[in-house]
Amino acid sequence: AQTVTQSQPEMSVQEAETVTLSCTYDTSESNYYLFWYKQPPSRQMILVIRQEAYKQQNATENRFSVNFQKAAKSFSLKISDSQLGDTAMYFCAFMKYSGNTPLVFGKGTRLSVIA
Amino acid sequence: SQTIHQWPATLVQPVGSPLSLECTVEGTSNPNLYWYRQAAGRGLQLLFYSVGIGQISSEVPQNLSASRPQDRQFILSSKKLLLSDSGFYLCASTGNLSPLHFGNGTRLTVT
Repeated sequence: AQTVTQSQPEMSVQEAETVTLSCTYDTSESNYYLFWYKQPPSRQMILVIRQEAYKQQNATENRFSVNFQKAAKSFSLKISDSQLGDTAMYFCAFMKYSGNTPLVFGKGTRLSVIA
Repeated sequence: SQTIHQWPATLVQPVGSPLSLECTVEGTSNPNLYWYRQAAGRGLQLLFYSVGIGQISSEVPQNLSASRPQDRQFILSSKKLLLSDSGFYLCASTGNLSPLHFGNGTRLTVT
């Protein structure tokens, strides 16, 4: 079975600074997807970024980028130029390539951006 | 793109009362559907998922049940609520290899 581990329950960062959230996973699959979801205080789940395991290039979405290390099974999220609106819970998630099995989520990292 | 409609947004129910939460999906056909529960400040617990009409997989044995009477409709039910059923319930949907899309959630308080 797949597992996803987020070792940082809480983090804080000053506005405009850069922060990196860690995620490791365990799987025997060779093809899969990885995701980062954001859950602000409204509790709506928002997809931040996705990475296909077969792609060596790290995904980026504006101020959000990932460092995907397939051999190390590591998938960290970097937030540049942090903004107050980035304050949220961040969840790392794994999905098998077949798509017919549920996503496996980590326990989340609570990020606070401080003015 | 997919849109997930989930209602009600907030619900307060006494212990022992029944529950019915409904979720419908627009913008896709034959989606995989999921019910998650989230306790305050905690992670997501998968309760049920469905890959087709009438096909339900249960991840956690409890007094909740799920049904999928139509392709894009997913219902979470209980005959008698417990205090421990309080939480934030999220419906989610995914198509073929697409990311998971979430509804806005239902905050359930059992009193």
